Amino acid sequence: DTGVSQDPRHKITKRGQNVTFRCDPISEHNRLYWYRQTLGQGPEFLTYFQNEAQLEKSRLLSDRFSAERPKGSFSTLEIQRTEQGDSAMYLCASSFRGEQYFGPGTRLTVT
Amino acid sequence: DQQVKQNSPSLSVQEGRISILNCDYTNSMFDYFLWYKKYPAEGPTFLISISSIKDKNEDGRFTVFLNKSAKHLSLHIVPSQPGDSAVYFCAASDSSNTGKLIFGQGTTLQVKP
Repeated sequence: DTGVSQDPRHKITKRGQNVTFRCDPISEHNRLYWYRQTLGQGPEFLTYFQNEAQLEKSRLLSDRFSAERPKGSFSTLEIQRTEQGDSAMYLCASSFRGEQYFGPGTRLTVT
Repeated sequence: DQQVKQNSPSLSVQEGRISILNCDYTNSMFDYFLWYKKYPAEGPTFLISISSIKDKNEDGRFTVFLNKSAKHLSLHIVPSQPGDSAVYFCAASDSSNTGKLIFGQGTTLQVKP
């Protein structure tokens, strides 16, 4: 296994459009996390899955955001009606216990 | 409310010398601490971690020290190499909870040849 992968790596979209990102975690990892990072800041927690169950959502995750992890494998993060403030790096991480391993991220630019 | 703080935005050291990166936290429920390194356009890479039952953990050139009474941890890199130049993030979690990480703002380390 080569680690956590994310697709796409870059996404440019117009304000008001919907976007969906995919994360494939390390195969034996049952925990999956989504974070968002803006310029000059550390990553901020968005949501957490244990297997297929979404167990925590941050207040940062407005109603326009939804995440799924069907069958406890890959995960998707959808943003509806994108706004310019959604422009950020979206990071996915997975773990079994202990340290989390991050993917390369998806850079979203909303114009 | 910034629960994890890295008060030095940048640090510059000479190759071969020691780099010391600092991190402070406020939440006494944190019991697991990690350091990540990040290059531009890449995700954070795990470096080293420490549990609150220890005060030191070493892995090659990297050592993390934890002072629970001061709610302070530091990362020592000895000797520093130009390839260590990157942004370093300190992170903390409450392992009895979901294990979500709370990150500091990062410190940019530059190691000069």
